[in-house]
Amino acid sequence: TQLLEQSPQFLSIQEGENLTVYCNSSSVFSSLQWYRQEPGEGPVLLVTVVTGGEVKKLKRLTFQFGDARKDSSLHITAAQPGDTGLYLCAGAGGTYKYIFGTGTRLKVLA
Amino acid sequence: DAGVIQSPRHEVTEMGQEVTLRCKPISGHDYLFWYRQTMMRGLELLIYFNNNVPIDDSGMPEDRFSAKMPNASFSTLKIQPSEPRDSAVYFCASSFAGAMEGQPQHFGDGTRLSIL
Repeated sequence: TQLLEQSPQFLSIQEGENLTVYCNSSSVFSSLQWYRQEPGEGPVLLVTVVTGGEVKKLKRLTFQFGDARKDSSLHITAAQPGDTGLYLCAGAGGTYKYIFGTGTRLKVLA
Repeated sequence: DAGVIQSPRHEVTEMGQEVTLRCKPISGHDYLFWYRQTMMRGLELLIYFNNNVPIDDSGMPEDRFSAKMPNASFSTLKIQPSEPRDSAVYFCASSFAGAMEGQPQHFGDGTRLSIL
């Protein structure tokens, strides 16, 4: 069974701080996606990484896919209250469905 | 363009009642997914369809749950009879292609279900 563990589960930080969220598995994924979910809404895609070692940047967010394609990280620089939400990673194994991670709930205080 | 549309947004009903959740995927998307989200278990895949055909229903909890997709623009998830432990937020998502192609899933805003 493919599992994706995210850490930390909860994170509360002050505006302006940096943070890193991790997504780990013992399985290899052909691609990995990061989503952000706000209260009362469905998850929204932030990025897709496909190649081992790939790094993608989206403004203050930096995403990295591990060399072995088993793990990924999301780094946020100078967090803002608007970054508050539930961050979910999702891995594509050998099927047409995604396996979602356990989630990291981030709160950025003004 | 309209996104994935789910109805109702909220449903409160008593144990034992039948519950039907509805989803309209994005036009042109071949895949439709039903998920359940709880604090304890996170986001769980219940079932997904490709071209209106159920492909994998291994996540459906038990026989009380059933899902149909009679055409490309409509799907239902039915719980009969409902139980308090079914209380959760249910999401529908659609995508142009499957996960192997790296395509994103587009989620609706969910149905918050409370079984009393």
